Amino acid sequence: KAGVTQTPRYLIKTRGQQVTLSCSPISGHRSVSWYQQTPGQGLQFLFEYFSETQRNKGNFPGRFSGRQFSNSRSEMNVSTLELGDSALYLCASSGGTRAGELFFGEGSRLTVL
Amino acid sequence: AQSVTQLGSHVSVSEGALVLLRCNYSSSVPPYLFWYVQYPNQGLQLLLKYTSAATLVKGINGFEAEFKKSETSFHLTKPSAHMSDAAEYFCAVDAGGTSYGKLTFGQGTILTVHP
Repeated sequence: KAGVTQTPRYLIKTRGQQVTLSCSPISGHRSVSWYQQTPGQGLQFLFEYFSETQRNKGNFPGRFSGRQFSNSRSEMNVSTLELGDSALYLCASSGGTRAGELFFGEGSRLTVL
Repeated sequence: AQSVTQLGSHVSVSEGALVLLRCNYSSSVPPYLFWYVQYPNQGLQLLLKYTSAATLVKGINGFEAEFKKSETSFHLTKPSAHMSDAAEYFCAVDAGGTSYGKLTFGQGTILTVHP
């Protein structure tokens, strides 16, 4: 079956702009998590959605937000971009239970100039 | 709070040699532990996971890991390295409770395999 699909794969923005990233989970998965990966901070959890509800949130400023639609597709938005937001943003889907395997997409690489 | 420490940011081995990637964890609850692999410009792929069943866990591509509670370790091993094993490896712990979808990752270990 199809894996997790993230779009766009690459994008370049300038400081102050906003960006929206999209994630389509594996069919049947109702949980979508988002992670930020940078060389300095590694992999950091942003938030998790299940059946359109945010169940868990990491320690990121309010500029980072997300949502999930009824078909389980998810979007994350970053407003007022800063240089430090340059990162690989990874989306993962799962069945939504503890110890359920997270299936990761290939990520969206954001560069902020 | 949960944390993961991966000892050694870079490990280099010869093809055919033993691969040993070290991971120590800290968890306030019985942990679920994971090893993921990331190839360049790709997402993460699960190698194996420990969820309180057998302490020796076998994964894909010939990898295995042993959960040792007394040592709070979950080291990843492979008896014989292959060139295709070159990648970055991440150990992760489940935060437990209601921390759905949240894994705490180590900083990663880059594995280089020499011919």
